[in-house]
Amino acid sequence: AQSVAQPEDQVNVAEGNPLTVKCTYSVSGNPYLFWYVQYPNRGLQFLLKYITGDNLVKGSYGFEAEFNKSQTSFHLKKPSALVSDSALYFCAVRDMNHYGGSQGNLIFGKGTKLSVKP
Amino acid sequence: NAGVTQTPKFRILKIGQSMTLQCAQDMNHNYMYWYRQDPGMGLKLIYYSVGAGITDKGEVPNGYNVSRSTTEDFPLRLELAAPSQTSVYFCASSYSMTDSPLHFGNGTRLTVT
Repeated sequence: AQSVAQPEDQVNVAEGNPLTVKCTYSVSGNPYLFWYVQYPNRGLQFLLKYITGDNLVKGSYGFEAEFNKSQTSFHLKKPSALVSDSALYFCAVRDMNHYGGSQGNLIFGKGTKLSVKP
Repeated sequence: NAGVTQTPKFRILKIGQSMTLQCAQDMNHNYMYWYRQDPGMGLKLIYYSVGAGITDKGEVPNGYNVSRSTTEDFPLRLELAAPSQTSVYFCASSYSMTDSPLHFGNGTRLTVT
């Protein structure tokens, strides 16, 4: 069965410091991986995705993520955090070998709350 | 460009009442989804649709029904509301079910008392 784990409920960083939000996944085939951000009282917004190719993908608002197949991880990173980055972050995975049908749907992690202090 | 629009934003129901959560998208996406979000639990898929006239159950469909008569609209029906259905409901759409990201509405916060 597909699954996604975000091992940290909350990550605290100081403004200007680098940030990492962790994500590991489990799928039977090759993964499609996504990161979303949710601000208070809003829907989720797409940040970036890994489908194939370069293991380092760049996305919106200066975020990037590194795909590591051997560690089945897809950690979200940013070199210099901003207070405005404070939000809830979700990792999601879709099994490429099961697109179509219920198995092709996105599976979301439980979310990690990022808090950036001035 | 409105994207995905959900109504209402908030609703309080009494146990046993019914209601319909509305969702409309203007991006001509074939794929639409309903999720519920509970604190610390992430998002769980309720129902999804791959096109007008075609719907299927997700992970947590019990107590809900959907219909998809047009490409644009994907309403979610709650019959006989229960306290366990207190949640935030999100509708989403996508161009494909493979590498396309989901576009989310801003959600409906439902309380059942």
